[in-house]
Amino acid sequence: NFMLTQPHSVSESPGKTVTISCTGSSGSIASNSVQWYQQRPGSAPTTVIYEDNQRPSGVPDRFSGSIDSSSNSASLTISGLKTEDEADYYCQSYDSGDHVVFGGGTKLTVL
Amino acid sequence: EVQLVESGGDLVQPGGSLRLSCAASGFTFSSYSMNWVRQAPGKGLEWISYISRGSSNIYYADSVQGRFTISRDNAKNSLYLQMNGLRAEDTAVYYCAQMTGVVIWGQGTLVTVSS
Repeated sequence: NFMLTQPHSVSESPGKTVTISCTGSSGSIASNSVQWYQQRPGSAPTTVIYEDNQRPSGVPDRFSGSIDSSSNSASLTISGLKTEDEADYYCQSYDSGDHVVFGGGTKLTVL
Repeated sequence: EVQLVESGGDLVQPGGSLRLSCAASGFTFSSYSMNWVRQAPGKGLEWISYISRGSSNIYYADSVQGRFTISRDNAKNSLYLQMNGLRAEDTAVYYCAQMTGVVIWGQGTLVTVSS
C-alpha cells in the first residue's frame, strides 16, 4: 500500500524558515497532486497548499509547496514563522487506485 | 460562502448504527466528488470513503468496508454516511470534505462508540 511519511515533529524560532517533508513509499509522488493541511488544536483542518504548490486565497505567501522527484518527496516550507503557525500539518495525495492517502502528520512548534 | 456542515454524531453502543449527514452550500454540489475523513482522538487523519459526482464510483477504506455506506442526494446538496456494526475503534470526529482543487472541509461531528 502506498504511504506518505512525515517527521513526527519539527521546531523552529519565530521569524525563521521551516520545511516539512512528505515522502512517498513507492511510485512517483509527482504522478498525483499533493495537498497540505493545517490543523490547530480543537479545529478542523484547513487547506494551506493544493495541487503541489497552489495557495488558496487568504493563505499568506509565507507558505509554499514543492515536489522533489529525485527524493520522491513533497515539501511544505513556511518562512517568517509566527507563533500562530504552530499546528499539526498533514500532507495528502492519492494511491494508484485514486484513493486518498494522508501522511501521519507533523507537529510544528514555534518557540 | 462555501460551506460544509456535518451532523448526526452521537454516543452509540458497540454494534449500533448511526447516520451522518453533510449539508453543502455555496458551490455546485452535484459537480464535485465527495469524501468522508475521520480523526480518532489524538490521532491523524484517516480517509474512509469516496463517492463520485453521480454516485457511480464508490470506494471505502479497508477499515470500514462492509460496515459503512456512503451516499449522496444532489437535489438536496447532501452527503451521507450510514455506519453499521460500530466498534470502539470507530470513535472519532468525522469530516466531510470536497477534495477537488481547493479542498473544503466541514467542521466535523463527533461519534463516540462506548457502552
